[in-house]
Amino acid sequence: AQSVTQLGSHVSVSEGALVLLRCNYSSSVPPYLFWYVQYPNQGLQLLLKYTSAATLVKGINGFEAEFKKSETSFHLTKPSAHMSDAAEYFCAVSGANNAGNMLTFGGGTRLMVKP
Amino acid sequence: KAGVTQTPRYLIKTRGQQVTLSCSPISGHRSVSWYQQTPGQGLQFLFEYFSETQRNKGNFPGRFSGRQFSNSRSEMNVSTLELGDSALYLCASSLAAIGGTDTQYFGPGTRLTVL
Repeated sequence: AQSVTQLGSHVSVSEGALVLLRCNYSSSVPPYLFWYVQYPNQGLQLLLKYTSAATLVKGINGFEAEFKKSETSFHLTKPSAHMSDAAEYFCAVSGANNAGNMLTFGGGTRLMVKP
Repeated sequence: KAGVTQTPRYLIKTRGQQVTLSCSPISGHRSVSWYQQTPGQGLQFLFEYFSETQRNKGNFPGRFSGRQFSNSRSEMNVSTLELGDSALYLCASSLAAIGGTDTQYFGPGTRLTVL
């Protein structure tokens, strides 16, 4: 069984500060990991994904995430927050033995950016 | 290329009624998945269809059903609506790959309110 834990349902940062959103996963098989962002009244947009290539993954809008197997983590970072980054962020996992494309999501982290 | 479209965007129904939601995937995508998003339970997988066949199913009661047509468009149906079915229903499409690495592209969702 797979599961995802996102530490901190709400994170607040100042504009220009480092963004760090935490994600830990549990998977009995090699995982594939995704970060999605959701703006109000919209669907989910893919930020980046890890599929067993480079452990440091660069995504859109300046975000990146590092896969650390020893820590079972896939934290999302951005060096400098922008007001437009305010949204909800979801970490998701899919397993290598997945017969299809089922994603298991974490509970989400709402990012607030203060001016 | 047009994104995933979902219709209608908003629905209001009363308890006991049934509802049908529609999803048109990105052109060329053959896999369609459905997710339910609620404040209490977060994002939960409902089911996935590929080539008109259900390939994966989440842990939802039989009142939730779906189907996929030969053009890959998909519908989901909820019968005998309950108040707890109020949610944002998201559809996602992907190319076809199994194994969990395929990126899923999400539509804007259908907001269902059950009164």
